Amino acid sequence: QLQLQESGPGLVKPSETVSLTCTASGGSITSSNFYWGWIRQPPGKGLEWIGTMFYSGNTYYNPSLLSRVTISLDPSRNQFSLRLTSVTATDTSVYYCARLPRVRLPGRPDLYSYMAVWGTGTTVTVSS
Amino acid sequence: QSALTQPRSVSGSPGQSVTISCAGTSSDVGGYNYVSWYQQYPGKAPKLMIYDVNKRPSGVPDRFSGSKSGNTASLTISGLQAEDEADYHCCSYAGTYSLVFGGGTKVTVL
Repeated sequence: QLQLQESGPGLVKPSETVSLTCTASGGSITSSNFYWGWIRQPPGKGLEWIGTMFYSGNTYYNPSLLSRVTISLDPSRNQFSLRLTSVTATDTSVYYCARLPRVRLPGRPDLYSYMAVWGTGTTVTVSS
Repeated sequence: QSALTQPRSVSGSPGQSVTISCAGTSSDVGGYNYVSWYQQYPGKAPKLMIYDVNKRPSGVPDRFSGSKSGNTASLTISGLQAEDEADYHCCSYAGTYSLVFGGGTKVTVL
């Protein structure tokens, strides 16, 4: 059974770059059946989709974060990562990683539509 | 890409039914049958309860059901139990490989 575990620095200064890692156990991130994604939740607020990646390298990002976010995979460590640049206080959130089943549509591009497995989350606080 | 609209809170007594709405547009909820719902306890990660509008993952009680009409999706909890007190978030595919969430709804069991 797949388990996901996020890790990160906890505290980051404004304008710096934060890097988070999600380690998968019990399943391979190079599986062709799944996408891998990041979601965040500011304190007391709702969830926000950050972005999703397929093992082939295709990445898709929230338009509101497109200029600052990068998701990458490290198959050798069965990990995928999130890099967010130029952080501000509004980036303070709990960050979750997740696995998204691949939806195969005959004659149409594949897509993904829901997060089936979630990590436990890691808190990122942006403060000087 | 605007967030979906959910009521801030709903409440019901044990045994009753409650319904949470999730209003979107024709570009997200109304345009695709890809609405999902997540249950979240305080300090915990979300858990998938419904996907593809009305499908339940294995292990989710059948008193949780989903539906959609036009640009609005709904999650109904029948036979409300104390353990159902949690936050519930809706999510929809919004085209071009993007996903959009609602603001979340707190369910209180009276």
